[in-house]
Amino acid sequence: GQQVMQIPQYQHVQEGEDFTTYCNSSTTLSNIQWYKQRPGGHPVFLIQLVKSGEVKKQKRLTFQFGEAKKNSSLHITATQTTDVGTYFCAGPRTGGGADGLTFGKGTHLIIQP
Amino acid sequence: DGGITQSPKYLFRKEGQNVTLSCEQNLNHDAMYWYRQDPGQGLRLIYYSQIVNDFQKGDIAEGYSVSREKKESFPLTVTSAQKNPTAFYLCASSLQLAASTDTQYFGPGTRLTVL
Repeated sequence: GQQVMQIPQYQHVQEGEDFTTYCNSSTTLSNIQWYKQRPGGHPVFLIQLVKSGEVKKQKRLTFQFGEAKKNSSLHITATQTTDVGTYFCAGPRTGGGADGLTFGKGTHLIIQP
Repeated sequence: DGGITQSPKYLFRKEGQNVTLSCEQNLNHDAMYWYRQDPGQGLRLIYYSQIVNDFQKGDIAEGYSVSREKKESFPLTVTSAQKNPTAFYLCASSLQLAASTDTQYFGPGTRLTVL
C-alpha cells in the first residue's frame, strides 16, 4: 500500500536557527497536506499543496511540492519557541474520494532557548 | 461555537472490557474519521464514514467497531479483541464527499489506557 515517509524523526535546534522536514511518498500524490501537533494537542491543518512544483509561504514557513508530486518539504526560518511540536505530512489514502489520509510519522521539532 | 468534541479526554479500561469513545461534530461535515496515534508514530486510520448509515474499514480496523446513525455522531467501540488498545484516539471530519483534497478537522482526542 501507499507509504509516506518523513525525515528526520527528531530535530533539535537552537532558537533562531532554521528547520526543515522532508516528506516522500511511494506513489504520486494528487495533493499533500501539512499538519502541526503541539505537545499534548491534536493535529491542526497548516496548508495543502496541489500543483507540481508549488511553493507556498506562511510568514516564516515555506512549503514545497516536488515536480513529480512525490515529495514535499516544510522549512521554518528563524525558529521560535512557539514552533515546538510535531509536523506531519499527509497524502490521500487512495486515488480519490474522501477516504482518509495517510500520514507520515512526523518530525518532532525541539527548540533549545 | 463550531467544532468537534470527543469524550472522555482520559479513559481507563480493564482488560477484556469493551469501551466506546464519543465523537460529535456540529460543522455539518459529511465525512468522519477515526485515527489511532501511538507514541512517536503518525496517525493510522481505523474507520471512516462518508455518509450516514455507511462506514468503511481503514488500515487497522481489527478489534474496533463504529456506527454512523446520525450525521453529527461517529462513536468508536474498542472491543476486547483489540490486542493493544492503549493509545491516543483522534476523531476528524471533513466537508466534501468526493474530494480527496479536503482538509480534516480534528477533535481534542481521547487517551485510552488499558490496565
